[in-house]
Amino acid sequence: QQPVQSPQAVILREGEDAVINCSSSKALYSVHWYRQKHGEAPVFLMILLKGGEQMRHEKISASFNEKKQQSSLYLTASQLSYSGTYFCGTHTDKLIFGTGTRLQVFP
Amino acid sequence: EAQVTQNPRYLITVTGKKLTVTCSQNMNHEYMSWYRQDPGLGLRQIYYSMNVEVTDKGDVPEGYKVSRKEKRNFPLILESPSPNQTSLYFCASSLTINYGYTFGSGTRLTVV
Repeated sequence: QQPVQSPQAVILREGEDAVINCSSSKALYSVHWYRQKHGEAPVFLMILLKGGEQMRHEKISASFNEKKQQSSLYLTASQLSYSGTYFCGTHTDKLIFGTGTRLQVFP
Repeated sequence: EAQVTQNPRYLITVTGKKLTVTCSQNMNHEYMSWYRQDPGLGLRQIYYSMNVEVTDKGDVPEGYKVSRKEKRNFPLILESPSPNQTSLYFCASSLTINYGYTFGSGTRLTVV
């Protein structure tokens, strides 16, 4: 089953913070995070492995709680360039993506 | 330049006319996958391949075929396309399942 992402949409002013959550009903080997800008292909941000450390990409970081089968993406001091749709991908025997969280950052 | 190349970028076809969308990567990646993207449904996996001659179904394989005869190529075949296969298709590859995916630019398919 597809992982569940929340919220479905976020609107921010530049400099504000946001958290995007991803949860799965299955035990996970890893969690991927991607960002897709309008009209473009998804771009890999980071991967979190079981037993691994919290990861970071610029001012974006993520955590992975294996026991709860959940991951969270933290966007700190958001920039205009952060706008796009964020997808988590959960890996069990294959990589399944969530339905996405649309993030819009305004000046 | 390391990349995943999909062709064509846009395709309009008629119901029942067989078509192939090509995907090629130049990074010596073992893992390749096809996804379709529809509004509100995210990216849904059609087929994936863990290596040459090894393919498996994703979540929405009906109406599609794939083959992996060479490591670099992973074509998607629609033997008899139907309007419900109108979608945006992405090919992706990674070194292994524990590495991030590199996506192709996408193929927008319309079946009339």
